[in-house]
Amino acid sequence: QVQLVQSGAEVKKPGASVKVSCKASGYTFTSYDINWVRQATGQGLEWMGWMNPNSGNTGYAQKFQGRVTMTRNTSISTAYMELSSLRSEDTAVYYCARSGWSNYYDSSGSPKGYYFDYWGQGTLVTVSS
Amino acid sequence: SYVLTQPPSVSVAPGQTARITCGGNNIGSKSVHWYQQKPGQAPVLVVYDDSDRPSGIPERFSGSNSGNTATLTISRVEAGDEADYYCQVWDSSSDHRFGGGTKLTVL
Repeated sequence: QVQLVQSGAEVKKPGASVKVSCKASGYTFTSYDINWVRQATGQGLEWMGWMNPNSGNTGYAQKFQGRVTMTRNTSISTAYMELSSLRSEDTAVYYCARSGWSNYYDSSGSPKGYYFDYWGQGTLVTVSS
Repeated sequence: SYVLTQPPSVSVAPGQTARITCGGNNIGSKSVHWYQQKPGQAPVLVVYDDSDRPSGIPERFSGSNSGNTATLTISRVEAGDEADYYCQVWDSSSDHRFGGGTKLTVL
């Protein structure tokens, strides 16, 4: 069965960096993109970016450009998300999620959309002085 | 950027039907996906591509999408359906977008 297992909770000081891992099992790691989504306490879901584990290509939400880096180690089927220059507003649960693609296509032949079919358990990152 | 609008809360009695809406400009042209999130847990995909269900999701969960509104419908609501529900789309210019979430309360 597909599983995404994330690293444990972290406490960081403002200005520091954090690196969260996401180990995949139960499927071919290089066949599906890995995305990162975060959720502050009592708030909604916020997409941060995606990574193609096969090519290493990435795409980041504009809000996180310059502060986030997504990488992978295919030999151990693990994806990583590093967020730098942390501030208190970055305190949140960070999730990795595998993305599947729509069964329907637009006029250009591209999938109409992508969804998140499996999620990690979440990693709480607390930023506090 | 593409904005998705959900009602903050929906309340329904057990056994009744709950409808949760997700509004967006011409959302009917996009594929809409829905997630259920219970307190302290990761989100779970309950509907994808507007109306398809992943394996293991009860038939009570269904979806529709037309015009400027997508709808998640939960029939014969049970106490265990109480959760936050989020809609999500992928937009070529905005990448992935989530609605603000709707808290479903079972009375």
